[in-house]
Amino acid sequence: QQPVQSPQAVILREGEDAVINCSSSKALYSVHWYRQKHGEAPVFLMILLKGGEQKGHDKISASFNEKKQQSSLYLTASQLSYSGTYFCGTDRRSARQLTFGSGTQLTVLP
Amino acid sequence: NAGVTQTPKFQVLKTGQSMTLQCAQDMNHNSMYWYRQDPGMGLRLIYYSASEGTTDKGEVPNGYNVSRLNKREFSLRLESAAPSQTSVYFCASTTPGSGANVLTFGAGSRLTVL
Repeated sequence: QQPVQSPQAVILREGEDAVINCSSSKALYSVHWYRQKHGEAPVFLMILLKGGEQKGHDKISASFNEKKQQSSLYLTASQLSYSGTYFCGTDRRSARQLTFGSGTQLTVLP
Repeated sequence: NAGVTQTPKFQVLKTGQSMTLQCAQDMNHNSMYWYRQDPGMGLRLIYYSASEGTTDKGEVPNGYNVSRLNKREFSLRLESAAPSQTSVYFCASTTPGSGANVLTFGAGSRLTVL
């Protein structure tokens, strides 16, 4: 079952913060985040494993709430290079495959 | 540093024609996947191959067949193309030993069926 992402789209000014949410109705083993620039392939950002840990990479971080089966991606002090579509992918260990949400289009304006 | 290579990058077909999308990876990955991407739908799994010699259906397998030719190569075939198969197709492979299916994607193949 496809995870639900929100919002579908967000427009920011450079330097502003954003949060993208991803939720599932099924118990999850892990949540992945990918970013896709227009006309390019999705690129892996980070993975959060069962255990509720929070991870970060530069000014992009994420959390995984196991009880709620929810993950949130935090983009702090957005840069122009952050523009793109962000996808969460969820992994139910028994399934051995990722199921992706429909994506959140992020636009950062100067 | 080729990673995952897909061919062709672009293809236009007429309804009923057949074609094969090729995918090869040079990272010694065990698992390979074919996704399609349509506007507003995200990435949907067509077929995957957990290891050489095995293939399994994903979420949207109808109208497609796959072949895991060897550990490096995983092809996707459309036997009789339909306009509903107009899409961007991505091949991906998984880092072995990660335990968590981290995917490396190819650059994509844009297919238009008229």
